[in-house]
Amino acid sequence: KQEVTQIPAALSVPEGENLVLNCSFTDSAIYNLQWFRQDPGKGLTSLLLIQSSQREQTSGRLNASLDKSSGRSTLYIAASQPGDSATYLCAVTQAGTALIFGKGTTLSVSS
Amino acid sequence: SQTIHQWPATLVQPVGSPLSLECTVEGTSNPNLYWYRQAAGRGLQLLFYSVGIGQISSEVPQNLSASRPQDRQFILSSKKLLLSDSGFYLCAWAGTFNNSPLHFGNGTRLTVT
Repeated sequence: KQEVTQIPAALSVPEGENLVLNCSFTDSAIYNLQWFRQDPGKGLTSLLLIQSSQREQTSGRLNASLDKSSGRSTLYIAASQPGDSATYLCAVTQAGTALIFGKGTTLSVSS
Repeated sequence: SQTIHQWPATLVQPVGSPLSLECTVEGTSNPNLYWYRQAAGRGLQLLFYSVGIGQISSEVPQNLSASRPQDRQFILSSKKLLLSDSGFYLCAWAGTFNNSPLHFGNGTRLTVT
């Protein structure tokens, strides 16, 4: 059974710092991996989707990488801002099931 | 463009009362539809998903049920709520191909008292 783990559970950084969020999964037979952002009390917003054949995806200050063979993905945030404060979740898609989510990393960026 | 609507935003219901949460999608046809629950301190739990009208798959046995009466409408129901049903319920949709991203509604905060 697929399990998705995100470490750390919480992270606090000063504004301007570059940071990396980690996601690992136990079964490498995935179609894709998706990173989401969730603000308190809100739904999830899709940030990046990496297909299983891809190594990375970039959107603005965000860069997500995927190493399917080792079951790992990272989300790199450059020059962090207070507005980046949120919970970040990763999720994988496999055959025959909907997305399986990690529990998220709660990021706090202080000004 | 596609949009997803979910209501109500918040709901407070007594134990034993019925529940009906509704979700609709606009701007796409034959989407895959999902209901997730997010409990405090826990991850997102998939409750139901649907690949077509009248086709519902249940991931977790519980006192909740789902229905898809129309192509772009997904309803989550319960006949009698339990305290443990409290949580944040999220509806989502995706296209039918494997690499279609998942798009979420704004969620419903349910408190069972």
